[in-house]
Amino acid sequence: DADVTQTPRNRITKTGKRIMLECSQTKGHDRMYWYRQDPGLGLRLIYYSFDVKDINKGEISDGYSVSRQAQAKFSLSLESAIPNQTALYFCATSDWNEKLFFGSGTQLSVL
Amino acid sequence: AQSVTQLGSHVSVSEGALVLLRCNYSSSVPPYLFWYVQYPNQGLQLLLKYTTGATLVKGINGFEAEFKKSETSFHLTKPSAHMSDAAEYFCAVRLMDSSYKLIFGSGTRLLVRP
Repeated sequence: DADVTQTPRNRITKTGKRIMLECSQTKGHDRMYWYRQDPGLGLRLIYYSFDVKDINKGEISDGYSVSRQAQAKFSLSLESAIPNQTALYFCATSDWNEKLFFGSGTQLSVL
Repeated sequence: AQSVTQLGSHVSVSEGALVLLRCNYSSSVPPYLFWYVQYPNQGLQLLLKYTTGATLVKGINGFEAEFKKSETSFHLTKPSAHMSDAAEYFCAVRLMDSSYKLIFGSGTRLLVRP
C-alpha cells in the first residue's frame, strides 16, 4: 500500500460545486502539505499543517480550505470550484529531514 | 525572498550522453537545496539534497549536484543518460524560517532519445 494515498485520482466537476480531495498517510509524519501543479509553473503550496492543531496558508490559499482530521488525514476543499482551479493536486508529508513524500496526485477538472 | 530558477523547460539528450539540468537560486542566507524527480503519472520523489558540508552531493540513480555559492547554482548532472531517466525534474529551496516550506522551480522535462 502507498504511504501517501490520495482520493479520488481523477475528478470532473462543474463550476460552483463544492469538492473535497482527501489524503491519508501511513508514514507517521506530523507535517502534511497540499500542492497544486500547473504546466510551466511547477508546484505551488496551498496549505500546510505541522500538527492537528496547526494549519497555515501557503502561496495560493484563496478559494481553498483544509481540515486536519487526524495526524494521518488532511483534506482539501474547494467551496465553489472555478475553471482556473483545474490542475493536478498533490498531498505530501515530510519528516524532520525535510524529505517530502508525495501521493500520486488528483487530476481535477472544473468545467 | 528565496527562490529558484530552472533554465530550460525542456532538455533533450541522446541515450548515453551527459545530462545537465540547470538551477540557480536566490537566497540571502545559506540555502538548503533539493532536486526532485517526477515520473509520468506519479508524485515527486527526492533525488538529492544539499544542506551543509560537502558541496558535491550524490543522489539516487547516478545523479549528482554541486552547490556553487559563487555562481548561486545547484545544477544536476548525470554522466550517461538512460531511457528510464525521462521525467520532469524540479529544483527546490527551503525557506529558512520556521515554516520549513519548500519553494519549487518551474521544472525541466528531460527527454532521452534512443
